[in-house]
Amino acid sequence: RKEVEQDPGPFNVPEGATVAFNCTYSNSASQSFFWYRQDCRKEPKLLMSVYSSGNEDGRFTAQLNRASQYISLLIRDSKLSDSATYLCVVTQGSNYKLTFGKGTLLTVNP
Amino acid sequence: NAGVTQTPKFRILKIGQSMTLQCTQDMNHNYMYWYRQDPGMGLKLIYYSVGAGITDKGEVPNGYNVSRSTTEDFPLRLELAAPSQTSVYFCASSYVPDGELFFGEGSRLTVL
Repeated sequence: RKEVEQDPGPFNVPEGATVAFNCTYSNSASQSFFWYRQDCRKEPKLLMSVYSSGNEDGRFTAQLNRASQYISLLIRDSKLSDSATYLCVVTQGSNYKLTFGKGTLLTVNP
Repeated sequence: NAGVTQTPKFRILKIGQSMTLQCTQDMNHNYMYWYRQDPGMGLKLIYYSVGAGITDKGEVPNGYNVSRSTTEDFPLRLELAAPSQTSVYFCASSYVPDGELFFGEGSRLTVL
C-alpha cells in the first residue's frame, strides 16, 4: 500500500452538492492528519487538521478512522470557490516527515 | 504579513548550470522544509531543518544541497541542473514539526 493514497478524481459537481474525499495511509503509527487546499498554480494552504473525534468547520467535516487507517473530508453545499485540489497530509510516526497524497481535484460547476 | 518568501518565482536553466533558490521566513519558525511538486504528483520532501545549523535529507535529496545559517533563511542549492529537476519548488516553515505548514508562493524551475 502506498504511504498516502487519495481518491484519484477528478470530481465534477454542481453548486450545492455534497462531495466526499477519502484518503488511506499505511503507517499505523501516524499521529497527525491534515487536509490542505491548493488552488491552481498556487501554494498549498491548511484547510483543517483532523482529530480523532472528528471535527467540523462550517461546511467542511473531517473524520479519522484509525482502525481502518483512513481520513475523509466532506464538503456540504459546494460553492464555486471550493474548486481546488485537496491534499491529504499525514505524519509518518514521530519523525518530521509529512507525507502528501497526490491530491484530488474538485471542480464545482454553476 | 510577509510569511515565507521565495525567490526567484520563475527560472530557466541550462543543463549543467547551478543556482540557488532563496527562502526566508519572518515568523521565527525553527522548522523549515523544501518540497518539489511535479505535475499530478504529491509534494516530495527534499530537505528539512529543525533549527539553525541543523539540516537533514528528505525523500529526494539527490542533486540538491541546503544550509541553515540563520533561523530566517533556508536556501536550496541545485548543482549541475538536470531536466529531471524541472519542477515547482516550495519552501515551507512550521512552528512545531507536526503543525501547520506555511508555504511560500513557489519557484517554477525549468531545465533545458
